[in-house]
Amino acid sequence: DGGITQSPKYLFRKEGQNVTLSCEQNLNHDAMYWYRQDPGQGLRLIYYSQIVNDFQKGDIAEGYSVSREKKESFPLTVTSAQKNPTAFYLCASSPGPYTGELFFGEGSRLTVL
Amino acid sequence: SQQGEEDPQALSIQEGENATMNCSYKTSINNLQWYRQNSGRGLVHLILIRSNEREKHSGRLRVTLDTSKKSSSLLITASRAADTASYFCATDPLLSGGYNKLIFGAGTRLAVHP
Repeated sequence: DGGITQSPKYLFRKEGQNVTLSCEQNLNHDAMYWYRQDPGQGLRLIYYSQIVNDFQKGDIAEGYSVSREKKESFPLTVTSAQKNPTAFYLCASSPGPYTGELFFGEGSRLTVL
Repeated sequence: SQQGEEDPQALSIQEGENATMNCSYKTSINNLQWYRQNSGRGLVHLILIRSNEREKHSGRLRVTLDTSKKSSSLLITASRAADTASYFCATDPLLSGGYNKLIFGAGTRLAVHP
């Protein structure tokens, strides 16, 4: 089955620690995205990548970092510089530019203790 | 930068009734999309309407787009309990360069009671 796999589904972190969220897709999509969702709110774009070894900041990139070393993988690191990291993180992909629809993973819920 | 705003924030109806959700946005767009999210899950794409289209249908879903008013509506006909979810509109701004940098609204929470 083709799709997007995010792991872990739940993650707890102590303040001051970095944490990496995994996102893997087997849809052969060129573009991948990370969104953050806070309770009762819409999604906000953190980072996106249109091609391997290239990525761009979204609207709320501060305190986050990404890499795109393989087409299938787009991990997100939430660093200690992110002041309010508790949120639901969603990874998405699309075949390429001008293709419209995003395909989403099931999300990772990060809680800072 | 929140572009879309859904109205109402929450909607409660009985099975068999129709549900209408509205979305307003601020800047010119390439397309507008509607997504569904079950509690604690990822988003699922429902329908995409391009800026040169006015109405689109998919099963029990009907979407309209009025670019002059910068607004869209999603109608779910003959609703079922399984339609209970949050529904989000997302816009692809004209100036985004086609990178699918969608901007999401805060969503409408729909509850369909048996």
